[in-house]
Amino acid sequence: GENVEQHPSTLSVQEGDSAVIKCTYSDSASNYFPWYKQELGKRPQLIIDIRSNVGEKKDQRIAVTLNKTAKHFSLHITETQPEDSAVYFCAASKGSYIPTFGRGTSLIVHP
Amino acid sequence: GAVVSQHPSRVICKSGTSVKIECRSLDFQATTMFWYRQFPKQSLMLMATSNEGSKATYEQGVEKDKFLINHASLTLSTLTVTSAHPEDSSFYICSARDHTRTGNEQFFGPGTRLTVL
Repeated sequence: GENVEQHPSTLSVQEGDSAVIKCTYSDSASNYFPWYKQELGKRPQLIIDIRSNVGEKKDQRIAVTLNKTAKHFSLHITETQPEDSAVYFCAASKGSYIPTFGRGTSLIVHP
Repeated sequence: GAVVSQHPSRVICKSGTSVKIECRSLDFQATTMFWYRQFPKQSLMLMATSNEGSKATYEQGVEKDKFLINHASLTLSTLTVTSAHPEDSSFYICSARDHTRTGNEQFFGPGTRLTVL
């Protein structure tokens, strides 16, 4: 089955800095890669996703890049703000299969 | 659109009792729903896939007689934790897919915090 590795487990940045979270996947047939943000005690919320026919996608301060050859994808957050502090999960899936989640990254943005 | 609700949001029970958690898709029909368990500072662990009108598919290591899943309608799935024990204390989250939408996006419920005394 699919195996998703996510790094780092914890990321601490100063407000205004950029944050990058990286994930690798094992199944070359995976074609859908969502990123979720989960605040403490709340539900995961989809913040951005990318499909395998695209190399990069951007939505305001958030961007995701995908390298199919290397089987890795990354989340980039620019101009971080304290409200960006949360746990971020990457996931990978193929077709209608259930996504496999990474272990999560706890992002802390210091004011 | 694509809102998923869960009830209750928090439950505290005595050891040995059973607890039922409901997951509803409010504005779409979900033939498939998923149940996850999440421990503090850990990732989402898929417990089972709930299929409307048929038996749930459980992940390896998840006791089906312990965690009973019923998906009686296109908008409701229930998870019953039977004879709960303190080690069952966790955050349980359901999710659903809206099959009328393209892609595999999952919509999560707000979660249920279960504490077994």
